Amino acid sequence: NAGVMQNPRHLVRRRGQEARLRCSPMKGHSHVYWYRQLPEEGLKFMVYLQKENIIDESGMPKERFSAEFPKEGPSILRIQQVVRGDSAAYFCASSPPPGRYEQFFGPGTRLTVL
Amino acid sequence: GESVGLHLPTLSVQEGDNSIINCAYSNSASDYFIWYKQESGKGPQFIIDIRSNMDKRQGQRVTVLLNKTVKHLSLQIAATQPGDSAVYFCAENSGGSNYKLTFGKGTLLTVNP
Repeated sequence: NAGVMQNPRHLVRRRGQEARLRCSPMKGHSHVYWYRQLPEEGLKFMVYLQKENIIDESGMPKERFSAEFPKEGPSILRIQQVVRGDSAAYFCASSPPPGRYEQFFGPGTRLTVL
Repeated sequence: GESVGLHLPTLSVQEGDNSIINCAYSNSASDYFIWYKQESGKGPQFIIDIRSNMDKRQGQRVTVLLNKTVKHLSLQIAATQPGDSAVYFCAENSGGSNYKLTFGKGTLLTVNP
């Protein structure tokens, strides 16, 4: 049973470009969570999604950031017009229904904004 | 407010010794706690969890202790091995949320052979 998959693992963007981060949850999991981790800090909750629904996006910056989890395909975290402060590791986690505490994390996408 | 950590707390132990990693949590409404292990370049890996109706829970070589009075959590690792070297995070379900986890700053454990 494959774990949570994220791609790309490393992403380099110049200021002003768009970044798209993809997450495929574990088989059978319909709940996806995105977290951001700055260097030497803990993970910070960004958004919680179920298929075709955003349940809680209280941790998402108000501008430039969006997330989706379509009926088919991976969850996407999209960052428009990236700035240097967006450089971080972005982790996706998934859990089985109904939203449970135990979240299984993917390997992360490390975004570097030049 | 949040503090920005420039340096992780560190714990250095000898192989075979027991390790104790501590964590202070912030929200008295939190009722579920998890310890995660994060190796360099990887995502957090679940180690052990505990609910607030318990004071202690044991796993394989690991024990978690919860002191709700002082809002303190600890992870004990018995017979620490080089493969245990990693950053360890405690996480709490934010204010009793059934999905939102709040992570601590992490402790870097280094095991010397």
